[in-house]
Amino acid sequence: DADVTQTPRNRITKTGKRIMLECSQTKGHDRMYWYRQDPGLGLRLIYYSFDVKDINKGEISDGYSVSRQAQAKFSLSLESAIPNQTALYFCATSDPGQVVEKLFFGSGTQLSVL
Amino acid sequence: GQQLNQSPQSMFIQEGEDVSMNCTSSSIFNTWLWYKQDPGEGPVLLIALYKAGELTSNGRLTAQFGITRKDSFLNISASIPSDVGIYFCAGQSSGGSNYKLTFGKGTLLTVNP
Repeated sequence: DADVTQTPRNRITKTGKRIMLECSQTKGHDRMYWYRQDPGLGLRLIYYSFDVKDINKGEISDGYSVSRQAQAKFSLSLESAIPNQTALYFCATSDPGQVVEKLFFGSGTQLSVL
Repeated sequence: GQQLNQSPQSMFIQEGEDVSMNCTSSSIFNTWLWYKQDPGEGPVLLIALYKAGELTSNGRLTAQFGITRKDSFLNISASIPSDVGIYFCAGQSSGGSNYKLTFGKGTLLTVNP
């Protein structure tokens, strides 16, 4: 089983709909992240959480919200989806106790907003 | 915010050839990281570099932390088809509670058998 699991793997939705992307991890890491990948733009940070009571905005948080339901669960919501939110979304975790903050990524959720 | 310039954007090579890619920044980083993303998967860490001038190898991969701390290089020797994917550099400006990891835009590598 994957250490970082994202659901769903693919999602097609319509403009204006509310959707939630979910992430769960079995690595026992306190830190969790949501990234967005667009072709030619690399990985951009949406939100991150260092523990259950901590939520921080990343560089592109507008139009998104997150919820850290437990140490192992971190969900990303699009309250009213728009076409330019079509992208590949990744959840990641890390352990701050390591010398370098190595990120462990899930397999991604491909979201299409029509 | 900080930006990384990663080049080239894409490469098409023949199996057996060597590959070089690099990242440059206007800012200093304390750590440089190189990730690889296989098709349909999330990125996986290949190499981490901790200090200026450091040269680190991982099999056929070799990466270097630039002396100025503003650049890093990744070389792949004797490429094989499974090297196909997107390679990302990432720079970390500080650790602990001051999280700051910046990714490059990636280099798409295609290897022709």
